[in-house]
Amino acid sequence: NSKVIQTPRYLVKGQGQKAKMRCIPEKGHPVVFWYQQNKNNEFKFLINFQNQEVLQQIDMTEKRFSAECPSNSPCSLEIQSSEAGDSALYLCASSRLNTLYFGAGTRLSVL
Amino acid sequence: GDSVTQTEGQVTVSESKSLIINCTYSATSIAYPNLFWYVRYPGEGLQLLLKVITAGQKGSSRGFEATYNKETTSFHLQKASVQESDSAVYYCALSDFSGGSNAKLTFGKGTKLSVKS
Repeated sequence: NSKVIQTPRYLVKGQGQKAKMRCIPEKGHPVVFWYQQNKNNEFKFLINFQNQEVLQQIDMTEKRFSAECPSNSPCSLEIQSSEAGDSALYLCASSRLNTLYFGAGTRLSVL
Repeated sequence: GDSVTQTEGQVTVSESKSLIINCTYSATSIAYPNLFWYVRYPGEGLQLLLKVITAGQKGSSRGFEATYNKETTSFHLQKASVQESDSAVYYCALSDFSGGSNAKLTFGKGTKLSVKS
């Protein structure tokens, strides 16, 4: 079983509000990923980084999403101003030897 | 870009019968991607079921098998005899890993397996 821990499991926000979710990657895994899974079961890569540095991110992420992985603290993904279309399951994964191990996810509902 | 296709959104199989879940892929960024099956059981997170990194090889786990076929660009998941506890959503995925640490996964849309007793 994965040892990636995501909190909270559920998050409810109004439009325009900030939404922040956290992830503790598995120990010894150097790269952390964030994915969004929508109601159609489609996965969208958002961002990944190694230690404190962003490796790749999509355009959407650059504008309203921010992520960080400070040393000795949980990683986080924050949506600055939530929109209805952001309602989805957000998955954090940490990677070792090119295999991703996922947390249980944070389900965001934007009302 | 890369893509993964799972043709069946939902499959229902009787207990002890055989199962095949289809997966085909298209990898434009790398000739031989790594291939994966992930599974999400009801109420649980996404778990790695099996992975194969070499074309022509077979991976297996929990009675499931999948063979990496580069000729047909397929990675079908099979099980000889399913149990009720296998009821879950199964996702096929590929990684565009080419030696870097920033490899990311491309997923199919998943196949929901329901096993009836």
